[in-house]
Amino acid sequence: KAGVTQTPRYLIKTRGQQVTLSCSPISGHRSVSWYQQTPGQGLQFLFEYFSETQRNKGNFPGRFSGRQFSNSRSEMNVSTLELGDSALYLCASSLVLGTGEHTQYFGPGTRLTVL
Amino acid sequence: GENVEQHPSTLSVQEGDSAVIKCTYSDSASNYFPWYKQELGKRPQLIIDIRSNVGEKKDQRIAVTLNKTAKHFSLHITETQPEDSAVYFCAAGSSGGSYIPTFGRGTSLIVHP
Repeated sequence: KAGVTQTPRYLIKTRGQQVTLSCSPISGHRSVSWYQQTPGQGLQFLFEYFSETQRNKGNFPGRFSGRQFSNSRSEMNVSTLELGDSALYLCASSLVLGTGEHTQYFGPGTRLTVL
Repeated sequence: GENVEQHPSTLSVQEGDSAVIKCTYSDSASNYFPWYKQELGKRPQLIIDIRSNVGEKKDQRIAVTLNKTAKHFSLHITETQPEDSAVYFCAAGSSGGSYIPTFGRGTSLIVHP
């Protein structure tokens, strides 16, 4: 079974531009969540999508948005990029098993650099 | 909102020793506490989690304990091996309809052979 994939893996943008990152979850996983990881702020939750609906949202400005498609693939968009948006953006797909146990697998991340 | 404190920031042990990482949380509504391992340059992995209706959970050499009254939970790794060297993150949040995890700042575990 293929793992979580993210594209692109690396991205360089300039301030004021916008960017779209893509995440393909593990087949059968309907929940996709996004995280930002930086040396200064650590790991922070951005949002979660389930069955094409945003189910949860972290404390990020409205410049950060996302969506999920009917095949569970998800995209996140950051508009009007700022230097502080430079980070590793991780997505994870999740599944609640019949036992109630929760599995979660991360993608390799997209390294965004804003110049 | 939730606040998660994680200690220590760095932990150095000899192979075969035990390692304990502790986290405290502030929101009594939090009921789901996952732990992640992230090796250098790699993606995080969910290694174990615990819900507030359970006090302890084990999986081979790792275990997590939860004290709801004191609002703290800990990761225990026994018989450490060099491949356990990584950064470990704890998180807390309330599962169910609205799950917004808050992460600890991470503990860098170094296991010396």
